[in-house]
Formats: sequence, structure tokens, C-alpha cells
Amino acid sequence: GQNIDQPTEMTATEGAIVQINCTYQTSGFNGLFWYQQHAGEAPTFLSYNVLDGLEEKGRFSSFLSRSKGYSYLLLKELQMKDSASYLCAVFNDYKLSFGAGTTVTVRA
Amino acid sequence: SQTIHQWPATLVQPVGSPLSLECTVEGTSNPNLYWYRQAAGRGLQLLFYSVGIGQISSEVPQNLSASRPQDRQFILSSKKLLLSDSGFYLCAWSSLGVSTEAFFGQGTRLTVV
Repeated sequence: GQNIDQPTEMTATEGAIVQINCTYQTSGFNGLFWYQQHAGEAPTFLSYNVLDGLEEKGRFSSFLSRSKGYSYLLLKELQMKDSASYLCAVFNDYKLSFGAGTTVTVRA
Repeated sequence: SQTIHQWPATLVQPVGSPLSLECTVEGTSNPNLYWYRQAAGRGLQLLFYSVGIGQISSEVPQNLSASRPQDRQFILSSKKLLLSDSGFYLCAWSSLGVSTEAFFGQGTRLTVV
């Protein structure tokens, strides 16, 4: 089975940094994805990790440790528009399984 | 470039009525196709996935079924809707056998009344 855990909510101040953790226990592993989802909209792709280490894309970075079943998404220089739900997803055996998502609220 | 179309965007249906949601992909061949449901304030629940024409894998037993009559067409159906079928339904595709991002359709907000 699949078990993907991430915190339910996080709050941070505009301009700050927030780290969203994701732990997973899955029967296989072919990659880990992070998606952003604004209320009422479809998820949009943020990052993909298949090897251990840090992937950086502008203000967003994602880290993976396969041996620990752990990933995090780092959001730097937070902006109000970053208020959204962030979804961790594991890909294996053609299936893409999602965690429940972390709602991030950015305050002025 | 690849695009994914999902329709309708919103739907209000009475309990006991049938359902048919359609999803089509353009610009790619032999994609993996997925149907997800998202209840209000919740994560995405994988309902069905397909790796080829006529090949459907169901993740959870429920009142819904899926079909893939053509390579780039994925249909979600129900013969009789229940109130609990209300939710946000999302279709997605990814490249077969390759871990790439999954591209999502715009979603269908279904309300069963």
C-alpha cells in the first residue's frame, strides 16, 4: 500500500522561508513530485526528484532522501500568491499517489 | 505540445442519474491516464488508472467505472449517482514507463443533489 504524510497546515510571513516535509512508505518508487494547487483549480507541477539531493528552481527547491523515505519542498522569499495547497506525490508502477496536501497561508 | 481536455467544468446531477465525464489528450501517444477525486479540503484520491487501450486498474471499490476506448480518451462513468459521489474530479496523464510530471485537466466539479 501507499502511505504519504505531510503536515495539514503551515503559516508564514511574506518574505520568509517555509519548508514542507513529506514522508512516504510505498511498495515501489520511481520518483517524487511536488504540486501546487490553488483553491478550486487543478494542481500545477512544481518539481520532480528521482535521485537523492536537492533540485532548485528559482524560489522553490525540493530535496529527496530515498533511504529515509523523505522529501521537503522549500519556498523562499514568500509572496502572497504562494498561499495555496502543496501536494506531495509518489510515482511507482505507473501510479501517481498523493498525500493529503499542506495548506500554506502567507501573511503580510 | 501536449494538452489535456476535460469536460464539463461543472455539473449538477440528481441522485440516481447516470454520469459520463470525458478526458482527451493531444500531442502524445500511449500515455498513462488517471482519474482522481478530491473532496472539499482533502487530498487527491486515485480512482482509476490506465496504461493502454482497454486496460483499467481500479484503486478503490465504488460506484464508478472507467473506460479507455481510444489511446488518448479516458471516460469516467456511473450508472446511478450517489450523494457521496460529489467532488472535484481530475483527469491526468503522464508518459508511459517514464517518471515525468503528470499533467492535469481543468477538473470537473460535480454536485449530486
